[in-house]
Amino acid sequence: GQQVMQIPQYQHVQEGEDFTTYCNSSTTLSNIQWYKQRPGGHPVFLIQLVKSGEVKKQKRLTFQFGEAKKNSSLHITATQTTDVGTYFCAGRSGAGSYQLTFGKGTKLSVIP
Amino acid sequence: NAGVTQTPKFQVLKTGQSMTLQCAQDMNHEYMSWYRQDPGMGLRLIHYSVGAGITDQGEVPNGYNVSRSTTEDFPLRLLSAAPSQTSVYFCASSTQGSYNEQFFGPGTRLTVL
Repeated sequence: GQQVMQIPQYQHVQEGEDFTTYCNSSTTLSNIQWYKQRPGGHPVFLIQLVKSGEVKKQKRLTFQFGEAKKNSSLHITATQTTDVGTYFCAGRSGAGSYQLTFGKGTKLSVIP
Repeated sequence: NAGVTQTPKFQVLKTGQSMTLQCAQDMNHEYMSWYRQDPGMGLRLIHYSVGAGITDQGEVPNGYNVSRSTTEDFPLRLLSAAPSQTSVYFCASSTQGSYNEQFFGPGTRLTVL
């Protein structure tokens, strides 16, 4: 079945440093979504990428979808303590598939 | 709108007991799904539904049943609880299946002794 791998599993950064998490799929994806989960909370949707090579920005967050639609990344510039949480990617493969496969997430800690 | 609601928030069961986790949404979403989250494992899909009367299995369906008699409700039943089912359970809903953002409920933390 489809597998979505996410690295790193953990990342500790000093406040103000940049952070990147990477997502790789074993199959070509129709779309990829990114979610953020704060400690003790539930996943919250951040963004969806659909097109090959797509790049989207949300303030300090930059999301990329690879040309082959098998990988994606989330980059945060100048991290803040409010960025703390676990970031998940979730991909869907196949036009007829209703299932999203989540990566295991990257847990970000920000040291003030 | 309340969004997606889940009850209970916490539950402790003994091995072999059965129970139902409740999930409801008031956004008229066609698609609903159940995930379990275990440390270091991300979110794994248990069952999903694309509309009232239609359900299907996800990645880890064994030991769980679902039904979808209304658009609003999507309960998850544990038939005979096992310690391996200790987890945090999230319900999610969206329009148009997984094409759009999933709205997650606050979760149910289940412990099976």
